[in-house]
Amino acid sequence: DQQVKQNSPSLSVQEGRISILNCDYTNSMFDYFLWYKKYPAEGPTFLISISSIKDKNEDGRFTVFLNKSAKHLSLHIVPSQPGDSAVYFCAAKSGGSYIPTFGRGTSLIVHP
Amino acid sequence: DTGVSQDPRHKITKRGQNVTFRCDPISEHNRLYWYRQTLGQGPEFLTYFQNEAQLEKSRLLSDRFSAERPKGSFSTLEIQRTEQGDSAMYLCASSGSGNQPQHFGDGTRLSIL
Repeated sequence: DQQVKQNSPSLSVQEGRISILNCDYTNSMFDYFLWYKKYPAEGPTFLISISSIKDKNEDGRFTVFLNKSAKHLSLHIVPSQPGDSAVYFCAAKSGGSYIPTFGRGTSLIVHP
Repeated sequence: DTGVSQDPRHKITKRGQNVTFRCDPISEHNRLYWYRQTLGQGPEFLTYFQNEAQLEKSRLLSDRFSAERPKGSFSTLEIQRTEQGDSAMYLCASSGSGNQPQHFGDGTRLSIL
């Protein structure tokens, strides 16, 4: 049973537009959420995180929104750039655990 | 930039052979993790060390798998009597204290012939 779900395997966006990547979770004990980006032949790289006490966290072009009641989070990239083309993993963990549970990833392609 | 280093990057071996992978974490990180990733999946947790102590193991870690971190620095992951289903990318990550995010290495890709 997948506790962290990324239901869109892929997303294609025009350069300069907004990319929105979605993530749903089922475990109500999760209270810390992370997004990682992965290029081919490289390991995942941490992008941005959010604690359950917040509903938004912003870092430059990247913003993560958390809707606890819906058990849903999303990553917004504005404006999207071709270099953002990668696989994005959503991850979640519960208090006291150091081990996040990862989703299956969404492959983002940003067209010039 | 001394990130997480994994060796080898690729390993091809015949079914039934033993393999060992090495991970060198970021030096100031006391936590070290091993994950496995297969095509179309996210990283799946295998095991976790805090310093030299192995504190948690996933049910994915069968008896054929063993991991060590003898001096709380580098770690090794050994797979004995490899099987076809062991073919995967094996990722190592390290982190500091609290909610500090994990930093991943580039992985070791294992192919079983």
